[in-house]
Amino acid sequence: GDSVTQMEGPVTLSEEAFLTINCTYTATGYPSLFWYVQYPGEGLQLLLKATKADDKGSNKGFEATYRKETTSFHLEKGSVQVSDSAVYFCAPLSQGGSEKLVFGKGTKLTVNP
Amino acid sequence: GAGVSQTPSNKVTEKGKYVELRCDPISGHTALYWYRQSLGQGPEFLIYFQGTGAADDSGLPNDRFFAVRPEGSVSTLKIQRTERGDSAVYLCASSSGLPTDTQYFGPGTRLTVL
Repeated sequence: GDSVTQMEGPVTLSEEAFLTINCTYTATGYPSLFWYVQYPGEGLQLLLKATKADDKGSNKGFEATYRKETTSFHLEKGSVQVSDSAVYFCAPLSQGGSEKLVFGKGTKLTVNP
Repeated sequence: GAGVSQTPSNKVTEKGKYVELRCDPISGHTALYWYRQSLGQGPEFLIYFQGTGAADDSGLPNDRFFAVRPEGSVSTLKIQRTERGDSAVYLCASSSGLPTDTQYFGPGTRLTVL
């Protein structure tokens, strides 16, 4: 079945540092790819998505590019803020009738002032 | 517009008891999903409804778990003879039902089985 491997956390950065969280997946075909974020005490929110190869999803300064050749969807941000502290989940959307998201374990990011 | 809502927000029960968890999806969303998130893990898929029918229930761990969506809107996840291992946050999500559409998540129900 489909699966996803996400960079192990926790990740601790100083404010304005560059962020990369790696994500690779295995799937049948070319699934849509999502990054969700879970802020402390809140529910899962969509951060960004890409639906086909070479698409770039972006939101709130975060970006991720759908790389078909490496089956990757790495999350990047050029300058993180304290308010970016959260748990980040990479998730391909399984195809073949189910439309279910397959989540990684999540990467906890802490940004210090 | 209201988002996905789930009740109760917290449920504490004793081993062996029966529980029901409710999900109200975003109005007009035909697709509804249940996931389970254990501590320190990502959400795991349980069941997917398209309208009133369960299109995929392959994630239900065993026959103690059952979910319904009788009118194509509200859904109830039912767990019989609860076990301590059922303790987790149960998440509901809904989407428009179109392929690749975003799933919008509710705040979850934290179930604790003592």
